[in-house]
Amino acid sequence: DTEVTQTPKHLVMGMTNKKSLKCEQHMGHRAMYWYKQKAKKPPELMFVYSYEKLSINESVPSRFSPECPNSSLLNLHLHALQPEDSALYLCASSQDRIGIREQFFGPGTRLTVL
Amino acid sequence: GENVEQHPSTLSVQEGDSAVIKCTYSDSASNYFPWYKQELGKGPQLIIDIRSNVGEKKDQRIAVTLNKTAKHFSLHITETQPEDSAVYFCAASFGNEKLTFGTGTRLTIIP
Repeated sequence: DTEVTQTPKHLVMGMTNKKSLKCEQHMGHRAMYWYKQKAKKPPELMFVYSYEKLSINESVPSRFSPECPNSSLLNLHLHALQPEDSALYLCASSQDRIGIREQFFGPGTRLTVL
Repeated sequence: GENVEQHPSTLSVQEGDSAVIKCTYSDSASNYFPWYKQELGKGPQLIIDIRSNVGEKKDQRIAVTLNKTAKHFSLHITETQPEDSAVYFCAASFGNEKLTFGTGTRLTIIP
């Protein structure tokens, strides 16, 4: 298995809702990433997990809460989002964070906040 | 921090011709330069990468060149095909630290 999967593909939520995005990989990778991508812009790094521990938080608002339950799974919990948080949320993984490791992206979750 | 500039922002090429996309980076410590292709509604797909100890790398119709002195690197696509139409992003990083992406190039192949 050489891919990163993300669910759901699309999500529409209100500003008072709580929802979660899920990412899964079975490549034995030990580093996992969340990115946010607005239309016609490059991906922006949000969080990095290395060996199931949070290693980078790019000053992301607390309404986004990441979780790494095990080495194959990465969740992003969403609460009290704003309309400007509407974007494509991408998950990526790499073998680890030692030396140079290629990052592989999932297809993304298209999030719309009403 | 690292800053990556990418040009052009849009590029239209006749099918069968070559396409070249150029990026410059600011941090001389950067040593890893991947290129991603993103099709509509999909996540970025790694298509080729180069490390700072190499000047050129080729994979079939795709090649990447790196000039460390000038701090720029380029993607070359030869014999372009309609399926090459997509947005292409360059990126730079030091080791496996944060990838800094360029602003993207929308490539359109004209049949």
